[in-house]
Amino acid sequence: KAGVTQTPRYLIKTRGQQVTLSCSPISGHRSVSWYQQTPGQGLQFLFEYFSETQRNKGNFPGRFSGRQFSNSRSEMNVSTLELGDSALYLCASSSQGFGVTEAFFGQGTRLTVV
Amino acid sequence: DQQVKQNSPSLSVQEGRISILNCDYTNSMFDYFLWYKKYPAEGPTFLISISSIKDKNEDGRFTVFLNKSAKHLSLHIVPSQPGDSAVYFCAASETGANNLFFGTGTRLTVIP
Repeated sequence: KAGVTQTPRYLIKTRGQQVTLSCSPISGHRSVSWYQQTPGQGLQFLFEYFSETQRNKGNFPGRFSGRQFSNSRSEMNVSTLELGDSALYLCASSSQGFGVTEAFFGQGTRLTVV
Repeated sequence: DQQVKQNSPSLSVQEGRISILNCDYTNSMFDYFLWYKKYPAEGPTFLISISSIKDKNEDGRFTVFLNKSAKHLSLHIVPSQPGDSAVYFCAASETGANNLFFGTGTRLTVIP
């Protein structure tokens, strides 16, 4: 079956703009999590959605938001982009959520803010 | 505050020898631990996990050891192969939390 699909793969935006990233989970998976990966910081948890409800949120400013649709696809939005938002954004899906079942990651979206 | 720490950013090992990657955590509520492997331009791939009720879990060449009193876990790869060269992330979670805390990763290079 198809894996986790993230689009776009690469993105260049200007400071102050906003961006929307998309994630299509593995078919049948209802949990989608988003992570930010930056050099030296590892993967930092952004938020997790399950059946269209945000169940958990990491320690990121309100400029970072997300949502999940009825087909489990998820989007994350970053408004008023800052240079420090340049990172690899990873999406992961699982049937129930981390810590319960194995989660599968997409290839990520590389966001560069200039 | 980094609750999961991988203090060695890199490790080089000869092919055929053992690779030992270490990970420390600070949150005593963590009860599930995982290792992920990441190649460049790909997302992390699940490798092996261990529940806090165990102190060892083995899967082929990969073994994870958990020392709860020391809040320490390690991943052993025996024998190491050049294809194992990647960045390895340690991660931990707490039951019901629905998110993982990751370490900063260790880049393993296996020299042929």
